[in-house]
Amino acid sequence: QSALTQPASVSGSPGQSITISCTGTSSDVDDFNYVSWYNYVSWYQQHPGKAPKLIIFDVSFRPSGVSNRFSGSKSGNTASLTISGLQAEDEADYYCSLYTSSSIWVFGGGTKLTVL
Amino acid sequence: QVQLQESGPGLVKPSETLSLTCIVSGGSINNYYWSWIRQPPGKGLEWIGYIYYNGITDYNPSLMSRVTISVDTSKNQFSLNLTSVTAADTAVYYCARDYNTFRESTGFDPWGHGTLVTVSS
Repeated sequence: QSALTQPASVSGSPGQSITISCTGTSSDVDDFNYVSWYNYVSWYQQHPGKAPKLIIFDVSFRPSGVSNRFSGSKSGNTASLTISGLQAEDEADYYCSLYTSSSIWVFGGGTKLTVL
Repeated sequence: QVQLQESGPGLVKPSETLSLTCIVSGGSINNYYWSWIRQPPGKGLEWIGYIYYNGITDYNPSLMSRVTISVDTSKNQFSLNLTSVTAADTAVYYCARDYNTFRESTGFDPWGHGTLVTVSS
C-alpha cells in the first residue's frame, strides 16, 4: 500500500521557521509526479485531544482564516509545510495527506512540532 | 457555520458491528463529500471512506470488505458500519466534510469532535 513518510519530530524556537517534509513512496509516487494532474496534497494541524484542522489544501492554498505563516509546496515526490514566525501555539502534531489516483486518501504518519 | 457531531456506542464487543452516525447541522449535506476518519490512541490518522450526498462511495482498500457508509439526506446525516471488529479497531472516529463543494479531493474541513470507540468484551 502507498505511504507518505514524515519526520517523527521537528523543533524550533519562537520566531524561527521550520519545514516539515512529506515524501511519497510506493505507488503514490506517481501521484506526486503528475504535477499538473494531482495537486491534491493537504496538511492538518492537531492539538492534543482536538480534531485535526485543515491548514493547507491543493498543495499550497490556505483555507479562509488560516494564518499566512503557514505555506505549502511540492517538488517531485515530496510535499513540504513551512511555518514561519514560529509561535508557542503552533506546537502540535502535523499530518500531510494525499488524494491518490486510486480515489483514496492516504495520510502521513504525523510530525510532532515542539516550540522550544 | 456547519457543525458535525458523531454519535454511537462507545463500547463494542469483538466480532460485532460498530455503527456510528454523523449529524450535520448549520448547513445542507447536499453537494459535498463526507468522510469517516479514525485515529487509534496515540497513533496517526486513517481514512476509512467517503460518501457523496447522492450515495456514491469509496473506501480504504484495507477496510473495504468490512465497511459500509450510507447517507440519509432527509435527516442531514450519514453513517458508518464496520463489521467483525477487533481490538485493532479501537480508535477515535471522526466524521468530516470535504472543504469544497462537488469535490472529494480538497481536504477535510470541518471535522466533528470525534468519538472514542473501544472494542472489548
